[in-house]
Amino acid sequence: EAEVAQSPRYKITEKSQAVAFWCDPISGHATLYWYRQILGQGPELLVQFQDESVVDDSQLPKDRFSAERLKGVDSTLKIQPAELGDSAMYLCASSAGQGAATGELFFGEGSRLTVL
Amino acid sequence: GENVEQHPSTLSVQEGDSAVIKCTYSDSASNYFPWYKQELGKRPQLIIDIRSNVGEKKDQRIAVTLNKTAKHFSLHITETQPEDSAVYFCAASSQGGKLIFGQGTELSVKP
Repeated sequence: EAEVAQSPRYKITEKSQAVAFWCDPISGHATLYWYRQILGQGPELLVQFQDESVVDDSQLPKDRFSAERLKGVDSTLKIQPAELGDSAMYLCASSAGQGAATGELFFGEGSRLTVL
Repeated sequence: GENVEQHPSTLSVQEGDSAVIKCTYSDSASNYFPWYKQELGKRPQLIIDIRSNVGEKKDQRIAVTLNKTAKHFSLHITETQPEDSAVYFCAASSQGGKLIFGQGTELSVKP
């Protein structure tokens, strides 16, 4: 069964360092999402891509976060510089439709970030 | 923008009892309402969803109801089993829009 792949699974870094997360969606899925999940809370959408275009990045802290999906397939989420409050699970998800209401979101296993 | 409120935050039931989790949403344009189950250390997985053109949907022991007028929807789990223990998230989305999640309900089913 096809799955969303994410790496690394775990990342420990010191504040002010740069970190990057990678996501490979299910083949053929046009929509890709990056969510941040703080322990004990629901996932919070950071950015949504439709193919290579950003559909929504209204909750992305653009002073330190960036995301790209250059060829409309895999995606990278970068944080520079990392802050203590960035410690969280970063979840990538993909769907076949255009927007969440047109297709089930499939989540990856996530990348857990700890900032010291 | 859309806001989704979920309660209770924790729920403990005895095996065999029913569990109900409730959510409210703010955007009247929302038309898709999925529920995700997240076991400890694992990814969220879709368990059931409902669209705004229906009021209720059932899948074995799980059912979801939607009240568009009141802008709330609920997850019902009957005959709960220990393996139902997990965190459950409701979510809401409008067509082409983003999926907004509630804060989650930690369900504990005691044998």
